[in-house]
Amino acid sequence: SQKIEQNSEALNIQEGKTATLTCNYTNYSPAYLQWYRQDPGRGPVFLLLIRENEKEKRKERLKVTFDTTLKQSLFHITASQPADSATYLCALPPDSWGKLQFGAGTQVVVTP
Amino acid sequence: NAGVTQTPKFQVLKTGQSMTLQCAQDMNHEYMSWYRQDPGMGLRLIHYSVGAGITDQGEVPNGYNVSRSTTEDFPLRLLSAAPSQTSVYFCASSGTLHTGELFFGEGSRLTVL
Repeated sequence: SQKIEQNSEALNIQEGKTATLTCNYTNYSPAYLQWYRQDPGRGPVFLLLIRENEKEKRKERLKVTFDTTLKQSLFHITASQPADSATYLCALPPDSWGKLQFGAGTQVVVTP
Repeated sequence: NAGVTQTPKFQVLKTGQSMTLQCAQDMNHEYMSWYRQDPGMGLRLIHYSVGAGITDQGEVPNGYNVSRSTTEDFPLRLLSAAPSQTSVYFCASSGTLHTGELFFGEGSRLTVL
């Protein structure tokens, strides 16, 4: 199975700036990668999926990149707002479908 | 549409007791799964099901049983609770077996004393 690494340190950022999160994986390159948002005491909510043949995907103020050479995905929140404060999880499928694996997540704190 | 509903939200058990966490979804999803979430460890897959009557083990299945008699329900049974099973449990479902987004319930926080 994959080892998925996300920065365990919280990312503190000022409102209006761009937050950039990383998701690194160690073994084979997955066919796709997903990003989720999780608020305290709630279940994760799906945000974006990017496939291995897509270099970049956007959704409103969110942008995800996928570099299979570096074995890394970057997640950007542009023009960040306090409402973006949450923990963001990346998820990858391992060698068999149905077993999505999650990173531990990175907490983002956006201050006014 | 309620989505994915988990009960109970909170539960305290004594070591050795058994209990069932309930999960129901009203989206007619074939795929359902159970994860546990512990601080610093992310979500770990316990069991999953790709349809009624079909279940399989995930990464951390020991001490848990599941069954899938209907498309809607996927209960998780703790046979003999241990303190190591103290965690937050999430049920999730998906309508697409490949690349599908997961829809999560709100979680069940379990404490085993």
